Amino acid sequence: GAGVSQSPSNKVTEKGKDVELRCDPISGHTALYWYRQSLGQGLEFLIYFQGNSAPDKSGLPSDRFSAERTGGSVSTLTIQRTQQEDSAVYLCASSSVKSLHFGNGTRLTVT
Amino acid sequence: AQSVTQLDSHVSVSEGTPVLLRCNYSSSYSPSLFWYVQHPNKGLQLLLKYTSAATLVKGINGFEAEFKKSETSFHLTKPSAHMSDAAEYFCVVTRSGGGADGLTFGKGTHLIIQP
Repeated sequence: GAGVSQSPSNKVTEKGKDVELRCDPISGHTALYWYRQSLGQGLEFLIYFQGNSAPDKSGLPSDRFSAERTGGSVSTLTIQRTQQEDSAVYLCASSSVKSLHFGNGTRLTVT
Repeated sequence: AQSVTQLDSHVSVSEGTPVLLRCNYSSSYSPSLFWYVQHPNKGLQLLLKYTSAATLVKGINGFEAEFKKSETSFHLTKPSAHMSDAAEYFCVVTRSGGGADGLTFGKGTHLIIQP
């Protein structure tokens, strides 16, 4: 597609449930980032993928969070046993050397 | 290592007056620099980018920014503010190779437009 696609755009889940968030990057972009933005907060780095290299997971807030990127393209961010503090907008970005594009995000609400 | 500093957390201007949002960066590499805008409950929208071509970059909605290497700055300007410009603005630095350190965000500047 023309841009970074994220799905779902909105997700409401009950505390304790697992959720999966999907990111379709721009074709050919080797780098993929996940960020989250909590209400009134800046952007918090979560994880970074670059080609076939091991991902940089240094931003994941707990072991309930994991992400994978299959075939160097689509990425899935999984949050297990969701907590209310996980409520945020989760943003995906993909980049090439001089191009950086964001998806519209997934708004996650944990009730 | 690299960093981005947006010097003002909030900027308030009157409609029709100029806008200046300040961004300073540090980078050990030749950076690419971006400005993004985020309206309430919306995603990040690219305003403009600098990628080592012309130092004066024109973007959408009348915004422009000038890359000044000697001052390590990439300030965002607009000659005349419009009410629809009220939003959060982020300055972003990237370098090839990426990593957690390869994509660095400023903390954002909240632009308020007074009628």
